[in-house]
Amino acid sequence: NAGVTQTPKFQVLKTGQSMTLQCAQDMNHEYMSWYRQDPGMGLRLIHYSVGAGITDQGEVPNGYNVSRSTTEDFPLRLLSAAPSQTSVYFCASSYSGGAGETQYFGPGTRLLVL
Amino acid sequence: GNSVTQMEGPVTLSEEAFLTINCTYTATGYPSLFWYVQYPGEGLQLLLKATKADDKGSNKGFEATYRKETTSFHLEKGSVQVSDSAVYFCALSDRGTGFQKLVFGTGTRLLVSP
Repeated sequence: NAGVTQTPKFQVLKTGQSMTLQCAQDMNHEYMSWYRQDPGMGLRLIHYSVGAGITDQGEVPNGYNVSRSTTEDFPLRLLSAAPSQTSVYFCASSYSGGAGETQYFGPGTRLLVL
Repeated sequence: GNSVTQMEGPVTLSEEAFLTINCTYTATGYPSLFWYVQYPGEGLQLLLKATKADDKGSNKGFEATYRKETTSFHLEKGSVQVSDSAVYFCALSDRGTGFQKLVFGTGTRLLVSP
């Protein structure tokens, strides 16, 4: 079991460029989510999915798109990168969406937008 | 809305010292409470959790008790090790329908010296 994997580990973009952050899990989890981690702010939810074909917005969705065509994959797309999107991005998955459910996190992608 | 407040860091301790990291929360319902740990260069992983009042979560010598009367979930360990150096996040997940979003505190960095 690889768990939750993310690629790339590190990326530098110029303002206005687009890119896709990849996330995959091999635990057959229905629920997946994307968070961003910024200094002094903890983790904030960007988008989440409760199953293939179903996505919804989190706390900070602006500037990001997601889709979920398979149970395993949940890519995060930056349409036109901005310096404010410089952050560390974590993907997470869980078996269900219950309040006591453990979420499993990937190792993160560090993004720098110049 | 729901929120989590945890003590500012860094917390600097010598090996074998007693650790307390304070966490208090605000929630409209009866949340589940979590402590996640992030070791250097890694993603978050669940340390312990509690799903109802007076529950005690424990793992790897760490403990935290869900105190509804004081809306707290303080993390404690009797004797810390150098390997415990990490960032610790308190989080809550409220009950309800659909995806239960995690709300994180800002994190507390623990530094343990030999």
